[in-house]
Order: sequence, then C-alpha cells, then structure tokens
Amino acid sequence: DAKTTQPNSMESNEEEPVHLPCNHSTISGTDYIHWYRQLPSQGPEYVIHGLTSNVNNRMASLAIAEDRKSSTLILHRATLRDAAVYYCILRDVGPLRAGNNRKLIWGLGTSLAVNP
Amino acid sequence: GAGVSQSPRYKVAKRGQDVALRCDPISGHVSLFWYQQALGQGPEFLTYFQNEAQLDKSGLPSDRFFAERPEGSVSTLKIQRTQQEDSAVYLCASSLVTETEAFFGQGTRLTVV
Repeated sequence: DAKTTQPNSMESNEEEPVHLPCNHSTISGTDYIHWYRQLPSQGPEYVIHGLTSNVNNRMASLAIAEDRKSSTLILHRATLRDAAVYYCILRDVGPLRAGNNRKLIWGLGTSLAVNP
Repeated sequence: GAGVSQSPRYKVAKRGQDVALRCDPISGHVSLFWYQQALGQGPEFLTYFQNEAQLDKSGLPSDRFFAERPEGSVSTLKIQRTQQEDSAVYLCASSLVTETEAFFGQGTRLTVV
C-alpha cells in the first residue's frame, strides 16, 4: 500500500490561507489522492480528492504536482472551525483484487492549529 | 437518517465482557467499513462489506473480533472477552460504492477496565 508523509503539525492565523503539504512518492497510476479531516471527538470528514488535475470545492482546493508525487491541500481562509487533524490518503481504485478493497490507509496526519 | 449513526456513543466494559457496537449506514450505501482508532493515531482498517458480503476482514486483530451485516444495511461489530488493548474509538464508514467518498459516523469510544 502506498504511503504518504505529512508534517506532524502546522499553525495558521484566522482568515489567512493555509497550505498543507503531502508527499506520496510511491503513488501508483490508479491511486486517487484523498483528504479527510477529523475535528476533536468527531469522526473523519471528507474534504476533497483528485487524480491528476487540480480540484476545487466549497471546502478547499487540491493542488497536485505534475509527477503526482506530492500534493497540497489549500484552505483559502482559515477559520477557528478548521482546527483539526488533516489526513492525506491514497486510495487505489484499480481493479478489485485481493487486498484492494478501496480501504483508506491512514497515517498520523497534520494537526492544524488556527490562532484567532 | 441523514448520516451514519453509531451506537452506543460510549461504552465501558469490564475486562472479559462481550460488547456489540452498532452501525447504521446511510440508506442505499453499498460499502461499509469498520476502523479502529487508538488515542493519538490515525484510524486503522478492520473489515469491509459490500452489501451483506464481508469481502475483507484482514484487519481484525484477533478471532475475538467479529463483524456482520446480514441484510446489507445495519452492521454490528462484536468483540468477545474484551481486553484492555481493545480500548479505542471504533469508527464506521459507508459509501455509495467503494470508489466514492466515505461518510463516517461519530464513532463508539470503548473503554475496557
């Protein structure tokens, strides 16, 4: 299973942009890049996902490097409610086979603190 | 309901006791996953269902752990003879199909004393 590497923690000020990096040098052609976040005492929440092109939604933007070995989650204006652990995950969507059931393999994530 | 519902929210069990954790996925969601999350760690995969079929149980830590989804909707994770190391948050997630985003419940926090 392909792995991701993220900084343990980051800090931002309210209403400023936040760039959360993720390295995934062993990514395969059928791996989608997913981001989830987990607020304290909550279950994880889907943020965004992409394959090759940059993606935008109402929550965030995802910038994917041309070689796909790294990506960056961008929160355009951080709020206090964005304080959470952010997980970058590779999800194999290739043909179903033994060991590939689309499960999410989580690392430790990046703990984002937002200062008022 | 609108989201994935898990019950109970909190469970305290004496060591050796059996527990059953329930997950109500979003209606119509085919895929259902169980994860275990220890304090300060990311979730770890336990098992996966596609409808009523348990296609992968490779993450279950021992034969004391058993999961079922008999009618392809509600799922139950059962832990027999609980041990202290079973203390964790147990998360359930469902998705429309396996490739789409997963929706998580709030989890059940199990404490074994």
